[in-house]
Amino acid sequence: DSGVTQTPKHLITATGQRVTLRCSPRSGDLSVYWYQQSLDQGLQFLIQYYNGEERAKGNILERFSAQQFPDLHSELNLSSLELGDSALYFCASSVGPDSYEQYFGPGTRLTVT
Amino acid sequence: AQSVTQLDSHVSVSEGTPVLLRCNYSSSYSPSLFWYVQHPNKGLQLLLKYTSAATLVKGINGFEAEFKKSETSFHLTKPSAHMSDAAEYFCVVSDQEGSTLGRLYFGRGTQLTVWP
Repeated sequence: DSGVTQTPKHLITATGQRVTLRCSPRSGDLSVYWYQQSLDQGLQFLIQYYNGEERAKGNILERFSAQQFPDLHSELNLSSLELGDSALYFCASSVGPDSYEQYFGPGTRLTVT
Repeated sequence: AQSVTQLDSHVSVSEGTPVLLRCNYSSSYSPSLFWYVQHPNKGLQLLLKYTSAATLVKGINGFEAEFKKSETSFHLTKPSAHMSDAAEYFCVVSDQEGSTLGRLYFGRGTQLTVWP
C-alpha cells in the first residue's frame, strides 16, 4: 500500500458528461501528479500540483482541469467526455516539488460509453 | 529530449528460468532511471531506482538492473522467475536537472508471462 488513495475505483459515464476524480496524497507529501494510462498512448503525465499551485503541465487536454486544495487532496475534472477518454487515471505524490520518487495510487478506471 | 524504449512488448519465460527485460533511454541530462511493476488491476509499484550511485541496482523481489551509460541501457534481470512475477513492467526515465526536473517518462511496458 503506497499511502495514496484514489476515489472512485471505477466510473462509467456517457459521452458529453463531466466527472471528477479525487486523490489524497501520502501524509506529508506536498506534490500531486496526475497520469493517464490508455492503450493508445501508454502512460502519460498530465499535470502536477505542488502545495496548491500548478507546477508543471504535460499532455493535458483543455477539456481537463485539476486543482489541489488546502488540505492537499487533488481533483481532476474531465468534461465533455469522449470515448477516447476511457482510460486508467493514476495519481501519484511526492514530498518535494521536483521529486522523481513518486508513489502511485491504485488508479480510477474511467469508461465512457 | 527524454524518452524510453522498451525493446520487447511481451516476454515469456518458464518458472525458474532467468528474466531479462530490456530498456534503452535517451536523456538530455544525467538521468534517474526506474523500473515499476503493475500487477493486474493494481497501481504501479517501484521495483528499483538508479540515481547516479552504484551502477548495479538491487530492487525488491530479487530483481536488479544495471545502468550502462555507454549503451544507454537499463535492463532489468532476475535469476529465477516466479509465477508471481507475471505482470507488466515499465522502464521510466527522469531528469536530475533542467526544466523537466522530476518529470517521469514511461516506456510502453513489457508484459511478462511466466509459464509453470
